[in-house]
Amino acid sequence: KNQVEQSPQSLIILEGKNCTLQCNYTVSPFSNLRWYKQDTGRGPVSLTIMTFSENTKSNGRYTATLDADTKQSSLHITASQLSDSASYICVVCNQAGTALIFGKGTTLSVSS
Amino acid sequence: DARVTQTPRHKVTEMGQEVTMRCQPILGHNTVFWYRQTMMQGLELLAYFRNRAPLDDSGMPKDRFSAEMPDATLATLKIQPSEPRDSAVYFCASGPLAGYTDTQYFGPGTRLTVL
Repeated sequence: KNQVEQSPQSLIILEGKNCTLQCNYTVSPFSNLRWYKQDTGRGPVSLTIMTFSENTKSNGRYTATLDADTKQSSLHITASQLSDSASYICVVCNQAGTALIFGKGTTLSVSS
Repeated sequence: DARVTQTPRHKVTEMGQEVTMRCQPILGHNTVFWYRQTMMQGLELLAYFRNRAPLDDSGMPKDRFSAEMPDATLATLKIQPSEPRDSAVYFCASGPLAGYTDTQYFGPGTRLTVL
């Protein structure tokens, strides 16, 4: 069964610290993996999209990595800011490009 | 600043009533997606349109849900009759290219509460 599991479910960190969010998936083969950031009360915003052949992709202080062999992805946030407080959702697209499988998200709280 | 717009932003209705949610995709985008988000299930894809034609609505309960694109600037999601379990936030997203492989731009969502 195609699944996307994210961990931790929630995370609290101090402003300025780094953190890493995990995404494990069983979708195989797959076309691409994307990370979304969703602020409370708003729609998700795309952070990164990686194909199966890419290992890493950055978007400012956000860096996503992908290991297609172990079927794991991570999202690393550097020098966190209060505005990073949000839910982060991992989504995997199957190879045919006909289905999206969603993780339940990690809720990140950055405190001062 | 091109954005996906959705109306209404909030809707409270009673069980059995018809609900219509509207979405205006970004001008020039030819793919439109409808999603539902709940605390329990997270995000779920309901339907996907390309060039106004429905390509995938396998995630949508067919007996009460219907999705249409009357024209390139309007997509609608209708629930008739509505049930309490339909309470969720419904998002519309649009994209410039076909398929699930490209970036999707989400609207602000419609928060639906069915009493």
